[in-house]
Amino acid sequence: AQSVSQHNHHVILSEAASLELGCNYSYGGTVNLFWYVQYPGQHLQLLLKYFSGDPLVKGIKGFEAEFIKSKFSFNLRKPSVQWSDTAEYFCAVSLLSGGYNKLIFGAGTRLAVHP
Amino acid sequence: DTAVSQTPKYLVTQMGNDKSIKCEQNLGHDTMYWYKQDSKKFLKIMFSYNNKELIINETVPNRFSPKSPDKAHLNLHINSLELGDSAVYFCASSQPDRLYNEQFFGPGTRLTVL
Repeated sequence: AQSVSQHNHHVILSEAASLELGCNYSYGGTVNLFWYVQYPGQHLQLLLKYFSGDPLVKGIKGFEAEFIKSKFSFNLRKPSVQWSDTAEYFCAVSLLSGGYNKLIFGAGTRLAVHP
Repeated sequence: DTAVSQTPKYLVTQMGNDKSIKCEQNLGHDTMYWYKQDSKKFLKIMFSYNNKELIINETVPNRFSPKSPDKAHLNLHINSLELGDSAVYFCASSQPDRLYNEQFFGPGTRLTVL
């Protein structure tokens, strides 16, 4: 079965530290990849997405992610985090299912940034 | 303007009751979804409708019945509520094609079953 794995369930960083959140997926076909963020008490918002082309994609708020096809990975990075980045981060893969796209989410990584 | 809205935002009810959650999107999208986010924040798709037609139905108990009166609305009715139904339910919408499926999420409905 298709799945998405996020290796870090909880990450605690100090402000200005660098961030990398791992995401691996298990699906051999063409995929579209997403990172969503959920700030405390809020709904999911799209951080960035990859469909094709340059495997290094840049999103909002200084986030970027790199698609490495050979490793089935789509890791999220930010060179210097801020307290306001405290949130839950979800990696997601869009697959074709019955002719329609379906999003499969990872379990999420909770990031806490201390001032 | 709110793109995807849900009502109510909070819902507290007793076991055995029947309740509904409503979702509306003003993005002109053809496809709408219901997701369940459990206490561990795990997010799982429940249903998807495309232009009022059910296209995805994950292994969800029959007590859950989605209804789409038109493509801008997707409501979720839950019969005989159980403790395990307590979760945050998110509605989402997208304009699908085979290369693109960015989904826009509503604010969520926090359901607590006592």
